[in-house]
Amino acid sequence: AQSVSQHNHHVILSEAASLELGCNYSYGGTVNLFWYVQYPGQHLQLLLKYFSGDPLVKGIKGFEAEFIKSKFSFNLRKPSVQWSDTAEYFCAVNDYDYGQNFVFGPGTRLSVLP
Amino acid sequence: DGGITQSPKYLFRKEGQNVTLSCEQNLNHDAMYWYRQDPGQGLRLIYYSQIVNDFQKGDIAEGYSVSREKKESFPLTVTSAQKNPTAFYLCASTPGQLMNTEAFFGQGTRLTVV
Repeated sequence: AQSVSQHNHHVILSEAASLELGCNYSYGGTVNLFWYVQYPGQHLQLLLKYFSGDPLVKGIKGFEAEFIKSKFSFNLRKPSVQWSDTAEYFCAVNDYDYGQNFVFGPGTRLSVLP
Repeated sequence: DGGITQSPKYLFRKEGQNVTLSCEQNLNHDAMYWYRQDPGQGLRLIYYSQIVNDFQKGDIAEGYSVSREKKESFPLTVTSAQKNPTAFYLCASTPGQLMNTEAFFGQGTRLTVV
């Protein structure tokens, strides 16, 4: 079965630092990839998504992610984080080859210090 | 506004009681999903439904039941057989399982067994 791993459980950064959150999935093939964010007390929101085409995708709030098929990875990046980016970030995969629904990673909690 | 409504936001249950969580969507989506969110484990799929009157077990279906009698509604019952029901429950929907689209989420229901 498809599985998703996220490299860090909790990341702590100062404002203006650069961010990279790792995400790897276990099986290749036809996949759609997503990053969702959950701000404290709020529902899950889509940050960005990859279906096909340019492997570098840009999302909301200055976030971007790069799909590297050979590494089964979809890492999330932001050049300069803000205090308001404090949230939990989830990577997700929708794997059509295995007929599975959205499979989520365990999440990475980001704390940005002012 | 279109969206997914989960109710109630907070729910308390005594041990040994069944409880039903509501999920309604007005997005005209065919597919609906129930996830359970626990700290450090991400979102785990409980049940999903691709079409009215049809549903499938997810990864952690034991102790849960669902119905899909109407397109817009996908209620989840947490039965007394669920050993550890205290968690945050999220409902999601997509236009259809095989379409390139993201999942849309409700605000969640936090269930606590007392």
